[in-house]
Amino acid sequence: DTGVSQNPRHKITKRGQNVTFRCDPISEHNRLYWYRQTLGQGPEFLTYFQNEAQLEKSRLLSDRFSAERPKGSFSTLEIQRTEQGDSAMYLCASSSWDRGSRDGYTFGSGTRLTVV
Amino acid sequence: GESVGLHLPTLSVQEGDNSIINCAYSNSASDYFIWYKQESGKGPQFIIDIRSNMDKRQGQRVTVLLNKTVKHLSLQIAATQPGDSAVYFCAEKGGSQGNLIFGKGTKLSVKP
Repeated sequence: DTGVSQNPRHKITKRGQNVTFRCDPISEHNRLYWYRQTLGQGPEFLTYFQNEAQLEKSRLLSDRFSAERPKGSFSTLEIQRTEQGDSAMYLCASSSWDRGSRDGYTFGSGTRLTVV
Repeated sequence: GESVGLHLPTLSVQEGDNSIINCAYSNSASDYFIWYKQESGKGPQFIIDIRSNMDKRQGQRVTVLLNKTVKHLSLQIAATQPGDSAVYFCAEKGGSQGNLIFGKGTKLSVKP
């Protein structure tokens, strides 16, 4: 296992187009998180899954954003009708939810989205 | 609103010196804290973590100190090297929360 993998690394899209990003977590991790990071800021939480269940969504996650984790393994984040304000680094992280053990929270390298 | 913040946005140290990066948090219910290092264009890299039932934890060249009384977290890097130059974030997790909350970060620059 080489860690958390995200694809693509970079995405340039025209305003109004839809984009989809993929995240493959560490295989033994049952929790998967999506964060967004803009330049000079810390990552901001968007949503997370435990197995295939989406347990929490931030108010930052507008109706244009949707995330899925259909089989409890990889996850996709889709942004519909992209806006210039969506330009950011989209980070995925995974962890194990197991009281008494280290949580982990390992991040991927992110997908850099530029909306033009 | 943001519940985790850092006292200094930038820190410049001489190679070989020790570095101390500070973080204040406001949620007294937070029970787990992590320090991350982030290099330009990369995702955050886990450095060290600490649970609220501890006040100190040591790793390789790094030490995290937690003071729950004043809700303060610090990261100490011994014998700072040029490769330590990056932005450092602290993050916290509340008891029943699943997600981490990040502060804005401190940029560490190491002078040769």
